[in-house]
Amino acid sequence: TQLLEQSPQFLSIQEGENLTVYCNSSSVFSSLQWYRQEPGEGPVLLVTVVTGGEVKKLKRLTFQFGDARKDSSLHITAAQPGDTGLYLCRNDYKLSFGAGTTVTVRA
Amino acid sequence: NAGVTQTPKFQVLKTGQSMTLQCAQDMNHEYMSWYRQDPGMGLRLIHYSVGAGITDQGEVPNGYNVSRSTTEDFPLRLLSAAPSQTSVYFCASSYSATGDSPLHFGNGTRLTVT
Repeated sequence: TQLLEQSPQFLSIQEGENLTVYCNSSSVFSSLQWYRQEPGEGPVLLVTVVTGGEVKKLKRLTFQFGDARKDSSLHITAAQPGDTGLYLCRNDYKLSFGAGTTVTVRA
Repeated sequence: NAGVTQTPKFQVLKTGQSMTLQCAQDMNHEYMSWYRQDPGMGLRLIHYSVGAGITDQGEVPNGYNVSRSTTEDFPLRLLSAAPSQTSVYFCASSYSATGDSPLHFGNGTRLTVT
């Protein structure tokens, strides 16, 4: 059973478009992490959010932790082909990962 | 700085064979873990260790053994391989077992069991 539900499962967009992926749960978490995984490599940490309502920005990526600390979103502005990858969220309860969102940005 | 090193990168086994996947880290991390990644399933935790001499089961431990004799190494043993163990295996380490500690991953071992 996945404690974390990620949506959509797949997302394909044109370079320059914006996108948002979601990570939801019925449980409350103390913290949540986002990772990006490129083909043939292990996941790499993008950000950790710990406060309800928190917004963190990493260049063109904006991460938000829900007020109730049950959900999070990742928004990418003006996506580039280098943003292509599998985006995974991870919680601090049982340290489990969601199934991920595969993002493809077409040039 | 090597980080987390996994060997081998690829492996093919026949049903019933045994093997050990190696994992080593040079960051002096106390926490180490093994995940398997299957399509549509994300990363599922197999076993983890919070320090030398201490191991515990994760979400999918059946068919796998681990040991942690040193801080640096955390091998994963498949005792009798089954086709259901065909997967990509990732080792990860962190300075702490808490959920806000960043995990550092190796580049994975792709295992096929025929």
